[in-house]
Amino acid sequence: EVQLVESGGGLVKPGGSLRLSCAASGFTFSSYSMNWVRQAPGKGLEWVSSISSSSSYIYYADSVKGRFTISRDNAKNSLYLQMNSLRAEDTAVYYCAREATPWGDFDYWGQGTLVTVSS
Amino acid sequence: SYVLTQPPSVSVAPGQTARITCGGNNIGSKSVHWYQQKPGQAPVLVVYDDSDRPSGIPERFSGSNSGNTATLTISRVEAGDEADYYCQVWDSSSDRYVFGTGTKVTVL
Repeated sequence: EVQLVESGGGLVKPGGSLRLSCAASGFTFSSYSMNWVRQAPGKGLEWVSSISSSSSYIYYADSVKGRFTISRDNAKNSLYLQMNSLRAEDTAVYYCAREATPWGDFDYWGQGTLVTVSS
Repeated sequence: SYVLTQPPSVSVAPGQTARITCGGNNIGSKSVHWYQQKPGQAPVLVVYDDSDRPSGIPERFSGSNSGNTATLTISRVEAGDEADYYCQVWDSSSDRYVFGTGTKVTVL
């Protein structure tokens, strides 16, 4: 069974940093591109970042480029999102999602982890 | 940047058909995916590549895509279909994924 479990969310002050993790199991993690998607309270889905299976291709939304860094450790079946210079507008539930095929749909999602940026 | 526009809400009686549109410039040239999200839950893929269904998704969910509009159709709507629905594409011109604005489906 495919499982994606996010962790690392919490309360952080504006300008602070946080590192999210996503632990994957039930599939060959090293064969799939992975993504982070976020959802602000009461708002829609916003794609954040994507990383290819071997980390050769990395993409970011304009809203986080230069502040967030996506990475992965295929040996540990883990996906990460390093978030720096956090702003109030980064407050959201952050989901990790598996990309079924390159540049395709997201066939599995984690349950999400809440990040709150507030003083 | 590429924009996907959905109606904020759609209301439908049980047993009837709900149609949710997703508008984008020449969206017919892209592969469109649809997600269902119920309150407090993660999104679930219901249609991928315009019209394919993942295993476990009822045949009542179908999709089409042509010109500037993609459509998710839910036939014989049930109370359990009440949720938010989002379309999604990969925009190769900007190397970005784009989600639609979302549509809340209410079953009357």
